[in-house]
Amino acid sequence: DGGITQSPKYLFRKEGQNVTLSCEQNLNHDAMYWYRQDPGQGLRLIYYSQIVNDFQKGDIAEGYSVSREKKESFPLTVTSAQKNPTAFYLCASSIEGQGFDEQYFGPGTRLTVT
Amino acid sequence: AQKVTQAQTEISVVEKEDVTLDCVYETRDTTYYLFWYKQPPSGELVFLIRRNSFDEQNEISGRYSWNFQKSTSSFNFTITASQVVDSAVYFCALYGRRALTFGSGTRLQVQP
Repeated sequence: DGGITQSPKYLFRKEGQNVTLSCEQNLNHDAMYWYRQDPGQGLRLIYYSQIVNDFQKGDIAEGYSVSREKKESFPLTVTSAQKNPTAFYLCASSIEGQGFDEQYFGPGTRLTVT
Repeated sequence: AQKVTQAQTEISVVEKEDVTLDCVYETRDTTYYLFWYKQPPSGELVFLIRRNSFDEQNEISGRYSWNFQKSTSSFNFTITASQVVDSAVYFCALYGRRALTFGSGTRLQVQP
């Protein structure tokens, strides 16, 4: 079964700690994306990567970092510099990095920082 | 700047009713793409449809239909004979100028 996996589904951290969210895809897609979703709001783009070893900041990149060492993997680190990290995080991929491509989404990770 | 407005925050209907989800967009681009995604309670977004700005033909897929009107900058989504499984949050999105912008979503609850 092809798709996107995100783990864990729920994550709890203490304030001041960095945390890394996992995203893996076996769709052989070139592009991968990280979004943040807050209650009552649409998705906001954090980072995206169109190719291995390259990534671009999205609208709300401050306090986040990513890496793309393998085509299949695009982990997101939420650093202690992110002022309000509690949110639902969604990873997505698309065949190419064209913004008008259909995006395939993972099930999300709900991060709670206290 | 581009913007997507989904004014209906939450809609509740009884099964078998028809329901229309509104989407109004703003863009200065002449070439753009519009999308609808469904987010069921499981969390992942599921792609429903994409239209480009040059194709104003309405589309029907089973119980789903979409009405794209450039004159009113709207891309509305209608579910005919709604079912409980249609309960989800629905997002409209706009791609233009290298940016994909999502609306805030409409939560649809279909009561049995």
